[in-house]
This record gives sequence, C-alpha cells and structure tokens, in this order.
Amino acid sequence: LAKTTQPISMDSYEGQEVNITCSHNNIATNDYITWYQQFPSQGPRFIIQGYKTKVTNEVASLFIPADRKSSTLSLPRVSLSDTAVYYCLVGHPSNQFYFGTGTSLTVIP
Amino acid sequence: EAGVTQFPSHSVIEKGQTVTLRCDPISGHDNLYWYRRVMGKEIKFLLHFVKESKQDESGMPNNRFLAERTGGTYSTLKVQPAELEDSGVYFCASSPDQWLGEGIQYFGAGTRLSVL
Repeated sequence: LAKTTQPISMDSYEGQEVNITCSHNNIATNDYITWYQQFPSQGPRFIIQGYKTKVTNEVASLFIPADRKSSTLSLPRVSLSDTAVYYCLVGHPSNQFYFGTGTSLTVIP
Repeated sequence: EAGVTQFPSHSVIEKGQTVTLRCDPISGHDNLYWYRRVMGKEIKFLLHFVKESKQDESGMPNNRFLAERTGGTYSTLKVQPAELEDSGVYFCASSPDQWLGEGIQYFGAGTRLSVL
C-alpha cells in the first residue's frame, strides 16, 4: 500500500484559498489519488479523484505533477463549514485505502 | 438515491458479549468495505467484499470478527466475544463495479461501538 504524508493541521481565514499538499512517493502505476473530507461523527465524504494532471469539480481542484509523487488539493474561498479533516488516499479505487492521519483544517472567521 | 446506511449508530455492550453491526450499501454497488477507527487512531481497513465473496480480509484483527454479505446485498460484522480494545467507530463503504463506475468509495456515517 502506498502511504501518504500530509501536514497534521492547517489554519486559514474565511474567503482564502487553501492548498493542502500530500506526498506519496511509492504510488503505483495503477493507483489513483482520492481526497476525502470528514466532519466529526460522520463518515468520510468524497471530494475529488484524479490520476494525473489537473482535475476540477464544483468544490475543489486537484493538481498532480507528472511524476505523481505528490498532489495538492485546492479549496477556493473556504468558509467556516469547510473546517474538517481532509484525507489524501492513494490506491486503486476498487481496493482498500490507507488512511493516514489526515490534515485538520480550521477556518477562522 | 439513498447512501450507505449503517445500523446501529451507537452500541454499548459489556466485555464478552456479542454485537452485530449492519451495513446497507448503495443499491447496485458490488464492492463493500469495512474500516474501523480505534481509540482515536487512524482509520484502518478490515475487509472487502465483491458481491458475496470476500476479496480481501487481510485487515481483520482476529477470529473474533466475522463478516458476511448474504446474497451480495447488505453486510453484517459480528464481534464475538467483544473485548475492550474493540471499542471504536466502524465504517462501511461501497463502490460500484470498477469497470462500470468511477470506483469511488462512498462511506456510511459509522457505528460507534463502546465495550465496557
């Protein structure tokens, strides 16, 4: 299983763009990069998934360099409701995921 | 469309008792996964079903844990007998057939198990 490394915590003010970078040096050829968001007392919620280059959806963007050894989740103009733990997961989506410690994001008013 | 549903949301039992957790995946999803978070640690994989077959059960901690998925629909995870260290939150996730869908795992809200 490819393990990931993320910052333990981050703080941001409301309205700012937040970038969370994840390292995954041992990513395999058929692995995807998936980001989840988790609020207290809830299950992880899918945010975005990508294989290479850039992926954008209605809530976030995911930047993946050519070597795929890292990825960056970008949240535009965060609000207080974005305060949560963000997990970077690497693996084939049909297999088990390795959850690291995640990044605890706190949005400050 | 209903999401992944887990029952009960919270279970409190005494050491040595038996508890059965249930997971109803999203309709039509062939893949079903069990994970758990113990004592505030990281979420860890337990096992993976493809329809009614166990694809990977490498994360099951010991033989006190038994998972079943009858008919490839809902799944149960039985802990018998429960020990104190089994306390934690048990998550279930499901995903569609990898060849038909995006392979995204959708998680339930979890069952919080407290063993006293």
